[in-house]
Amino acid sequence: GAGVSQTPSNKVTEKGKYVELRCDPISGHTALYWYRQSLGQGPEFLIYFQGTGAADDSGLPNDRFFAVRPEGSVSTLKIQRTERGDSAVYLCASSLMPQAQETQYFGPGTRLLVL
Amino acid sequence: GQQLNQSPQSMFIQEGEDVSMNCTSSSIFNTWLWYKQEPGEGPVLLIALYKAGELTSNGRLTAQFGITRKDSFLNISASIPSDVGIYFCAGQLWQGGKLIFGQGTELSVKP
Repeated sequence: GAGVSQTPSNKVTEKGKYVELRCDPISGHTALYWYRQSLGQGPEFLIYFQGTGAADDSGLPNDRFFAVRPEGSVSTLKIQRTERGDSAVYLCASSLMPQAQETQYFGPGTRLLVL
Repeated sequence: GQQLNQSPQSMFIQEGEDVSMNCTSSSIFNTWLWYKQEPGEGPVLLIALYKAGELTSNGRLTAQFGITRKDSFLNISASIPSDVGIYFCAGQLWQGGKLIFGQGTELSVKP
């Protein structure tokens, strides 16, 4: 399986709880992106990693959202004190080299439901 | 967050018909992309456009990068049932940067 994988595929949690969403990019891809897709909308950018560092985190909605990529491969999106409005599909994408005309390949997403 | 204006929102067509959808922005983009998303899946790239005025085809799909760099369209010729899905345009200001997506066009094809 050479594609982007995301776990869990579905997550149900209660308001106020903490959640972690994991993304495994395509092997060798240096760039990794997180997007959030609400029902009936297009994906919205959250954060972009080049290697281990966050190159652009301008899309994170507030300080409850945080993401890491400690070894430059797997990334974890962390949401503290979840709210019902955080319910959405969280998509991860990776690309080989951000400087070139490289496609962003998307994973299937994690569907988060906050009750 | 910023999103592009994509139209129409939905289309119900007969198999064999041609389809056209477009996307506009108040901002200039240097790359325009068209993705297709099916239920339970992430978006899959269909066509990428890198130059203003560029017209690119991928099988029955044709897309153009507007000369103002503020718009793009996608045409699908001779639609078939497997074309069903949601089509998204996306703009990218610089290579490797974030994608700004439209709201999507949901396509339904009646056999």
